[in-house]
Amino acid sequence: DAGVIQSPRHEVTEMGQEVTLRCKPISGHDYLFWYRQTMMRGLELLIYFNNNVPIDDSGMPEDRFSAKMPNASFSTLKIQPSEPRDSAVYFCASSRETGNSGANVLTFGAGSRLTVL
Amino acid sequence: KQEVTQIPAALSVPEGENLVLNCSFTDSAIYNLQWFRQDPGKGLTSLLLIQSSQREQTSGRLNASLDKSSGRSTLYIAASQPGDSATYLCAVRLRNAGKSTFGDGTTLTVKP
Repeated sequence: DAGVIQSPRHEVTEMGQEVTLRCKPISGHDYLFWYRQTMMRGLELLIYFNNNVPIDDSGMPEDRFSAKMPNASFSTLKIQPSEPRDSAVYFCASSRETGNSGANVLTFGAGSRLTVL
Repeated sequence: KQEVTQIPAALSVPEGENLVLNCSFTDSAIYNLQWFRQDPGKGLTSLLLIQSSQREQTSGRLNASLDKSSGRSTLYIAASQPGDSATYLCAVRLRNAGKSTFGDGTTLTVKP
C-alpha cells in the first residue's frame, strides 16, 4: 500500500493566484480529512468527507477555500485567491470505519507545504 | 466541544531514561484515542490507537494507557533513544463523530 498520496509536496505562489492541492487516500478508506498545520495554530481540521460526501466543513476558514471529492480515490483542496496568511502545511488523512485490522487508524499523507508570497 | 491538552509542551531527557507523555481531554465520551509522532518537516506517523473499550496498547518500547473517567491518556516510552526525538501528538475522537481533535503536542528531545 502506497499510503496517502499528496501533491504537490511544495508550492510557492504569489498572492491572488489559485492553488489546488490533491490527495489520493488509501484504497478502501471511507473517511478523508483535510488538515492545516501552522506554528501559531497547530493542526486544524478544515473539512472531512465520508463516502465522498462532505460531512463537516466548519473548519474551512472562508469562502476562498473549497474542497471536493468526486470519487473514492481523489480529493482536492482549492484556495482562490490565495493570500500570504494561507501559508502552511496542508495534510490529507484517511481512515476506514470497519474491519478487524487497522480500523479507525488515521493515516496521514506527507503534506503539501504552501508558501504564498 | 472537546478540548485536548498536552503538557509539557517540551521535554528534554538523557538517553536511556524512561518517560511519560500526557494527554488530557475534557469530554470522556470518546470513541478512540490515537498517538502520533511527527518529525520536523514530516507528516504524522501513527504510533498506537486505543479504542474506548481498551485500557492500554503496546508496541515495542511504547505503551499507551487510557483512563476515560479522569480524561487522561499517557504514552510511556521505555529506554529512550536519540531517535525518539520528535513531537508527539494525541488525537481524541468522540462517539458519534467522524473527526478527531488534536492536542498541540509535546516536543521530546533525547540527548545522547
